[in-house]
Amino acid sequence: RKEVEQDPGPFNVPEGATVAFNCTYSNSASQSFFWYRQDCRKEPKLLMSVYSSGNEDGRFTAQLNRASQYISLLIRDSKLSDSATYLCVVKSIQGAQKLVFGQGTRLTINP
Amino acid sequence: NAGVTQTPKFRVLKTGQSMTLLCAQDMNHEYMYWYRQDPGMGLRLIHYSVGEGTTAKGEVPDGYNVSRLKKQNFLLGLESAAPSQTSVYFCASTQDSYTQYFGPGTRLTVL
Repeated sequence: RKEVEQDPGPFNVPEGATVAFNCTYSNSASQSFFWYRQDCRKEPKLLMSVYSSGNEDGRFTAQLNRASQYISLLIRDSKLSDSATYLCVVKSIQGAQKLVFGQGTRLTINP
Repeated sequence: NAGVTQTPKFRVLKTGQSMTLLCAQDMNHEYMYWYRQDPGMGLRLIHYSVGEGTTAKGEVPDGYNVSRLKKQNFLLGLESAAPSQTSVYFCASTQDSYTQYFGPGTRLTVL
């Protein structure tokens, strides 16, 4: 079983729609969680961290459910520029500041 | 401030050839990482370094070697390239692991 699993998609949604991604992780002792964004043929970049209480950054909301070991990302009022691959990331507890990446969920926003 | 840079950007090798990928960062980060990204597999950690002069194996280290003689540079070597090493290689650095900063990537094809 992969340590971090995501639905690879692709998700195709119309502009203005709300879209949600889920991600599950296998290590119950994991402490830190993130969403990274990767544009086509570009490097990944941090989108937002995910906190236990949930957190919001503009149109983006991240939630963490420790009991079920899943992380979610909600995008409201989606824009064409939101088209990208979204990577769920968990910090490994095995030290050395290592991150474990999910395979990514591809999102395309259609006009 | 260039952030994280990688050279070369593209390379085509024949099976059995060797090459070195160079990663440089100007943010004085302690931690540096090499990943490979393949379709459907997400980012997988090859090797990493927690400081100048130190290196350690990641998830998929076989066929690769690394060196970190200077804090700002992290080199990834392929001694005898194989077609299975065709991939996109990303270097990243961080000071605290909460945000990893990635280079633009190196696209390597092994024929």
